[in-house]
Amino acid sequence: AQTVTQSQPEMSVQEAETVTLSCTYDTSESDYYLFWYKQPPSRQMILVIRQEAYKQQNATENRFSVNFQKAAKSFSLKISDSQLGDAAMYFCAYRSGGSNYKLTFGKGTLLTVNP
Amino acid sequence: KAGVTQTPRYLIKTRGQQVTLSCSPISGHRSVSWYQQTPGQGLQFLFEYFSETQRNKGNFPGRFSGRQFSNSRSEMNVSTLELGDSALYLCASSQASGGAEETQYFGPGTRLLVL
Repeated sequence: AQTVTQSQPEMSVQEAETVTLSCTYDTSESDYYLFWYKQPPSRQMILVIRQEAYKQQNATENRFSVNFQKAAKSFSLKISDSQLGDAAMYFCAYRSGGSNYKLTFGKGTLLTVNP
Repeated sequence: KAGVTQTPRYLIKTRGQQVTLSCSPISGHRSVSWYQQTPGQGLQFLFEYFSETQRNKGNFPGRFSGRQFSNSRSEMNVSTLELGDSALYLCASSQASGGAEETQYFGPGTRLLVL
């Protein structure tokens, strides 16, 4: 079974600075997808960024980028120019390839952004 | 396009009762997945439905069941409620077209409190 580990329960960052959230996963599969989801307090979970395992290039979405190290099974999220609206719980998630839509989540990292 | 909607948003039940939660996916999405979110266990996959058939199932007791209708709307039912069933229940939908860009979109959740 696949597992996802987020070793940082809480992180804080100053507004406008950069923060990196860590995620490691364990799998024996070669075809899979990795995701970072954001869940603001009492608000809906939204997708931040996704990475296909077969792609060597790291995904980027505006201020959000990932460092995907396939051999090390590491998938960290970097948030640049942090904004107050980035404060949320961040979840790393794994999905197998094919028609299996089950997401396996890490425990989450609570990010605080200080003004 | 309207997002994933879940009803009701809040629910209070007593032990032993049963409950039915509803999820309406994004228009055109054919796959609906359900997750349970608790502070202790985090996000756990319950099941996934596609074309009215359960395609994947998580490790939950038989008290948890679901179904999907021909319009892709889905319901989940929990019978003989226990205190530990108190949680946020999230529904997620995806197109399930099998493409590499497949992503799951989450609803706002139903918060269930069992007394």
